[in-house]
Amino acid sequence: EDQVTQSPEALRLQEGESSSLNCSYTVSGLRGLFWYRQDPGKGPEFLFTLYSAGEEKEKERLKATLTKKESFLHITAPKPEDSATYLCAVQENYGGSQGNLIFGKGTKLSVKP
Amino acid sequence: NAGVTQTPKFQVLKTGQSMTLQCAQDMNHEYMSWYRQDPGMGLRLIHYSVGAGITDQGEVPNGYNVSRSTTEDFPLRLLSAAPSQTSVYFCASSYSSAGAWNEKLFFGSGTQLSVL
Repeated sequence: EDQVTQSPEALRLQEGESSSLNCSYTVSGLRGLFWYRQDPGKGPEFLFTLYSAGEEKEKERLKATLTKKESFLHITAPKPEDSATYLCAVQENYGGSQGNLIFGKGTKLSVKP
Repeated sequence: NAGVTQTPKFQVLKTGQSMTLQCAQDMNHEYMSWYRQDPGMGLRLIHYSVGAGITDQGEVPNGYNVSRSTTEDFPLRLLSAAPSQTSVYFCASSYSSAGAWNEKLFFGSGTQLSVL
């Protein structure tokens, strides 16, 4: 069973059409949840870190939120340059010791002009 | 500041050949790691290092070797390449912040490896 599940796998939006990407996780003790953006042929680029339920982070048209079981990446009025694959990762807390990042499979976002 | 540099960008190997993927960072980061990315799967950790002379295994270490003799470099060695090692490989580095060493990863641009 996957510990990090992202949905949908792919999302096509028209420019200006707002939507949300979902990341659900089943790790027992969450130390942190991370969002990355990956453009074709490139390595992932860090976007946000969230640590506790209720926390929110914003960057331009992106806003990430966190609950006890999932995170949402809200995209407001997207532009074609927002097209990319968005990766979610979680880090477990092993009794005070930090675990490695567990990545989801990603959501491929396409924004058409 | 080049960040994380990986070489080569593309490589084709025959089964049984060995090779080394190079990774260098110029940010003086203590933490470095190697991931592989396969279609339909999330990034999976191969090996990681929290400082020069210290390495540890990740989720999928079999068939790979690493060493860390300097802060800057973290090469990944394929001992005897197999078709199952066909993948895109990413090197990443991170600094320590509030006791967490992989809070924000800086990734290289990747090496696409094909094993025939």
